[in-house]
Amino acid sequence: GAVVSQHPSWVICKSGTSVKIECRSLDFQATTMFWYRQFPKQSLMLMATSNEGSKATYEQGVEKDKFLINHASLTLSTLTVTSAHPEDSSFYICSATGFTYNEQFFGPGTRLTVL
Amino acid sequence: GNSVTQMEGPVTLSEEAFLTINCTYTATGYPSLFWYVQYPGEGLQLLLKATKADDKGSNKGFEATYRKETTSFHLEKGSVQVSDSAVYFCALGFSENTPLVFGKGTRLSVIA
Repeated sequence: GAVVSQHPSWVICKSGTSVKIECRSLDFQATTMFWYRQFPKQSLMLMATSNEGSKATYEQGVEKDKFLINHASLTLSTLTVTSAHPEDSSFYICSATGFTYNEQFFGPGTRLTVL
Repeated sequence: GNSVTQMEGPVTLSEEAFLTINCTYTATGYPSLFWYVQYPGEGLQLLLKATKADDKGSNKGFEATYRKETTSFHLEKGSVQVSDSAVYFCALGFSENTPLVFGKGTRLSVIA
Protein backbone atom coordinates (compact mmCIF):
# COMPACT_ATOMS: atom_id res chain seq x y z
CA GLY A 1 0.00 0.00 0.00
CA ALA A 2 0.87 3.64 -0.21
CA VAL A 3 2.78 5.38 2.56
CA VAL A 4 1.80 8.51 4.45
CA SER A 5 4.15 10.14 6.89
CA GLN A 6 3.64 12.78 9.55
CA HIS A 7 6.12 15.09 11.16
CA PRO A 8 6.76 15.55 13.95
CA SER A 9 5.55 12.39 15.63
CA TRP A 10 5.53 14.10 18.99
CA VAL A 11 5.67 17.74 20.00
CA ILE A 12 5.47 19.64 23.26
CA CYS A 13 4.90 23.37 23.19
CA LYS A 14 4.07 26.20 25.52
CA SER A 15 0.61 27.68 25.70
CA GLY A 16 0.17 30.50 23.22
CA THR A 17 2.64 29.24 20.65
CA SER A 18 1.83 27.83 17.22
CA VAL A 19 2.66 24.35 16.03
CA LYS A 20 2.81 23.06 12.46
CA ILE A 21 2.20 19.41 11.65
CA GLU A 22 3.09 18.03 8.23
CA CYS A 23 1.39 15.19 6.41
CA ARG A 24 3.16 13.79 3.36
CA SER A 25 2.25 11.16 0.82
CA LEU A 26 5.59 9.53 0.08
CA ASP A 27 4.91 7.51 -3.04
CA PHE A 28 1.71 8.81 -4.53
CA GLN A 29 -0.08 12.02 -5.36
CA ALA A 30 -2.67 12.79 -2.71
CA THR A 31 -5.60 14.62 -4.22
CA THR A 32 -7.49 14.58 -0.94
CA MET A 33 -6.25 14.58 2.62
CA PHE A 34 -8.23 14.37 5.80
CA TRP A 35 -7.31 15.59 9.25
CA TYR A 36 -8.66 13.76 12.30
CA ARG A 37 -8.30 14.34 15.99
CA GLN A 38 -8.25 11.51 18.49
CA PHE A 39 -8.80 12.05 22.18
CA PRO A 40 -7.46 9.50 24.66
CA LYS A 41 -9.39 6.24 24.48
CA GLN A 42 -11.86 7.75 22.03
CA SER A 43 -12.56 7.58 18.36
CA LEU A 44 -11.24 9.68 15.55
CA MET A 45 -13.19 12.83 14.88
CA LEU A 46 -12.91 14.44 11.46
CA MET A 47 -11.62 18.00 11.60
CA ALA A 48 -11.40 18.95 7.95
CA THR A 49 -11.12 17.76 4.39
CA SER A 50 -8.37 19.17 2.24
CA ASN A 51 -8.18 19.05 -1.54
CA GLU A 52 -5.02 20.09 -3.31
CA GLY A 53 -5.15 23.70 -4.39
CA SER A 54 -8.43 24.43 -2.63
CA LYS A 55 -9.43 25.78 0.72
CA ALA A 56 -10.07 23.15 3.34
CA THR A 57 -13.60 22.24 4.33
CA TYR A 58 -13.97 22.25 8.09
CA GLU A 59 -16.40 20.24 10.14
CA GLN A 60 -18.93 22.02 12.28
CA GLY A 61 -17.43 23.13 15.54
CA VAL A 62 -13.84 23.21 14.28
CA GLU A 63 -12.36 26.71 14.34
CA LYS A 64 -10.74 27.32 10.98
CA ASP A 65 -8.77 30.28 12.28
CA LYS A 66 -7.29 28.14 15.00
CA PHE A 67 -6.58 25.05 12.93
CA LEU A 68 -5.09 26.30 9.68
CA ILE A 69 -4.88 23.71 6.95
CA ASN A 70 -2.89 24.13 3.78
CA HIS A 71 -2.73 21.61 0.95
CA ALA A 72 -0.40 23.38 -1.41
CA SER A 73 0.92 20.38 -3.30
CA LEU A 74 -0.11 16.87 -4.20
CA THR A 75 2.23 15.42 -1.60
CA LEU A 76 1.96 17.75 1.35
CA SER A 77 -0.71 19.07 3.65
CA THR A 78 -0.03 21.01 6.83
CA LEU A 79 -2.07 21.62 9.94
CA THR A 80 -1.06 24.61 12.04
CA VAL A 81 -2.49 24.88 15.51
CA THR A 82 -2.35 28.59 16.26
CA SER A 83 -2.06 29.97 19.78
CA ALA A 84 -2.23 26.49 21.20
CA HIS A 85 -3.76 25.88 24.61
CA PRO A 86 -3.78 22.80 26.85
CA GLU A 87 -7.21 21.77 25.57
CA ASP A 88 -5.67 21.39 22.10
CA SER A 89 -3.51 18.57 23.39
CA SER A 90 -4.46 15.53 21.39
CA PHE A 91 -3.38 12.97 18.81
CA TYR A 92 -3.72 14.36 15.29
CA ILE A 93 -3.91 11.92 12.41
CA CYS A 94 -4.00 12.58 8.70
CA SER A 95 -5.09 10.32 5.90
CA ALA A 96 -4.68 10.64 2.17
CA THR A 97 -6.02 9.21 -1.03
CA GLY A 98 -5.09 9.61 -4.65
CA PHE A 99 -6.14 9.07 -8.23
CA THR A 100 -5.47 5.38 -8.45
CA TYR A 101 -6.58 4.25 -5.03
CA ASN A 102 -9.93 3.26 -3.64
CA GLU A 103 -8.97 3.59 -0.02
CA GLN A 104 -7.40 6.06 2.37
CA PHE A 105 -3.95 5.66 3.85
CA PHE A 106 -3.30 6.89 7.33
CA GLY A 107 -0.27 8.61 8.74
CA PRO A 108 1.20 7.43 12.05
CA GLY A 109 -0.16 10.43 13.91
CA THR A 110 1.29 13.37 15.83
CA ARG A 111 0.91 13.66 19.55
CA LEU A 112 0.63 17.30 20.62
CA THR A 113 1.05 18.27 24.25
CA VAL A 114 0.49 21.90 25.19
CA LEU A 115 1.82 22.95 28.56
CA GLY B 1 -26.84 10.60 9.72
CA ASN B 2 -24.13 8.03 9.39
CA SER B 3 -22.78 6.36 12.49
CA VAL B 4 -20.93 3.31 13.71
CA THR B 5 -21.45 1.57 17.02
CA GLN B 6 -19.03 -1.01 18.30
CA MET B 7 -18.83 -2.93 21.52
CA GLU B 8 -17.23 -1.23 24.46
CA GLY B 9 -13.94 -2.54 25.65
CA PRO B 10 -11.61 -3.41 26.96
CA VAL B 11 -11.70 -7.02 25.93
CA THR B 12 -9.23 -9.35 27.58
CA LEU B 13 -8.68 -12.83 26.19
CA SER B 14 -6.27 -15.66 26.69
CA GLU B 15 -4.06 -16.67 23.82
CA GLU B 16 -5.80 -18.94 21.31
CA ALA B 17 -9.26 -17.83 22.41
CA PHE B 18 -11.98 -16.92 19.92
CA LEU B 19 -12.54 -13.23 19.31
CA THR B 20 -15.68 -11.39 18.32
CA ILE B 21 -15.96 -7.62 18.27
CA ASN B 22 -19.43 -6.44 17.35
CA CYS B 23 -20.00 -3.55 15.00
CA THR B 24 -23.26 -2.15 13.68
CA TYR B 25 -23.81 0.84 11.48
CA THR B 26 -26.40 3.34 10.38
CA ALA B 27 -26.02 4.82 6.95
CA THR B 28 -27.90 6.58 4.21
CA GLY B 29 -26.94 4.70 1.10
CA TYR B 30 -24.60 1.79 0.65
CA PRO B 31 -21.27 2.30 2.34
CA SER B 32 -18.11 0.28 2.31
CA LEU B 33 -17.18 -1.09 5.72
CA PHE B 34 -13.74 -1.29 7.26
CA TRP B 35 -11.85 -2.58 10.24
CA TYR B 36 -8.72 -0.69 11.22
CA VAL B 37 -6.17 -1.67 13.85
CA GLN B 38 -4.07 0.68 15.92
CA TYR B 39 -1.09 -0.76 17.74
CA PRO B 40 0.30 1.13 20.74
CA GLY B 41 1.93 4.36 19.70
CA GLU B 42 1.17 3.87 16.02
CA GLY B 43 -1.31 5.10 13.43
CA LEU B 44 -4.22 3.24 11.94
CA GLN B 45 -3.69 0.32 9.62
CA LEU B 46 -6.38 -1.12 7.41
CA LEU B 47 -7.10 -4.65 8.57
CA LEU B 48 -9.88 -5.61 6.17
CA LYS B 49 -12.76 -4.21 4.24
CA ALA B 50 -15.95 -5.14 2.40
CA THR B 51 -17.59 -3.04 -0.25
CA LYS B 52 -21.01 -4.58 -0.65
CA ALA B 53 -23.56 -6.77 1.08
CA ASP B 54 -22.51 -10.36 1.78
CA ASP B 55 -18.87 -9.61 1.01
CA LYS B 56 -16.42 -11.12 3.45
CA GLY B 57 -13.21 -9.29 4.22
CA SER B 58 -10.31 -11.26 5.62
CA ASN B 59 -6.70 -10.69 6.58
CA LYS B 60 -4.21 -12.19 9.06
CA GLY B 61 -6.81 -14.66 10.34
CA PHE B 62 -9.40 -11.93 10.96
CA GLU B 63 -12.63 -11.85 9.03
CA ALA B 64 -15.85 -9.89 8.89
CA THR B 65 -18.97 -10.23 6.73
CA TYR B 66 -21.01 -7.29 5.52
CA ARG B 67 -24.56 -8.05 6.66
CA LYS B 68 -27.01 -5.62 5.20
CA GLU B 69 -30.04 -7.20 6.84
CA THR B 70 -28.61 -6.69 10.31
CA THR B 71 -26.47 -3.64 9.39
CA SER B 72 -23.51 -5.36 10.98
CA PHE B 73 -19.84 -6.03 10.29
CA HIS B 74 -18.63 -8.08 13.24
CA LEU B 75 -14.92 -8.85 13.46
CA GLU B 76 -13.89 -12.42 14.28
CA LYS B 77 -10.72 -14.41 14.72
CA GLY B 78 -10.56 -18.05 15.63
CA SER B 79 -7.39 -18.00 17.69
CA VAL B 80 -5.93 -14.74 18.96
CA GLN B 81 -2.27 -14.15 19.72
CA VAL B 82 -0.55 -11.79 22.11
CA SER B 83 0.56 -9.77 19.11
CA ASP B 84 -3.09 -9.02 18.29
CA SER B 85 -3.31 -6.75 21.32
CA ALA B 86 -4.36 -3.38 19.92
CA VAL B 87 -7.32 -1.07 19.47
CA TYR B 88 -9.72 -2.06 16.71
CA PHE B 89 -11.90 0.48 14.93
CA CYS B 90 -14.90 -0.24 12.78
CA ALA B 91 -15.60 2.40 10.13
CA LEU B 92 -17.76 3.17 7.15
CA GLY B 93 -17.15 5.25 4.05
CA PHE B 94 -18.70 5.97 0.69
CA SER B 95 -15.70 6.65 -1.47
CA GLU B 96 -11.99 7.26 -1.21
CA ASN B 97 -12.68 10.98 -1.40
CA THR B 98 -15.04 11.15 1.54
CA PRO B 99 -14.03 10.93 5.17
CA LEU B 100 -14.55 7.79 7.17
CA VAL B 101 -16.95 7.56 10.09
CA PHE B 102 -15.39 5.63 12.94
CA GLY B 103 -16.71 3.74 15.90
CA LYS B 104 -15.22 4.47 19.30
CA GLY B 105 -12.73 1.64 19.12
CA THR B 106 -12.37 -1.54 21.13
CA ARG B 107 -9.19 -2.25 23.04
CA LEU B 108 -8.14 -5.88 22.93
CA SER B 109 -5.60 -7.35 25.32
CA VAL B 110 -4.43 -10.90 24.76
CA ILE B 111 -2.58 -12.55 27.60
CA ALA B 112 -0.30 -15.54 27.34
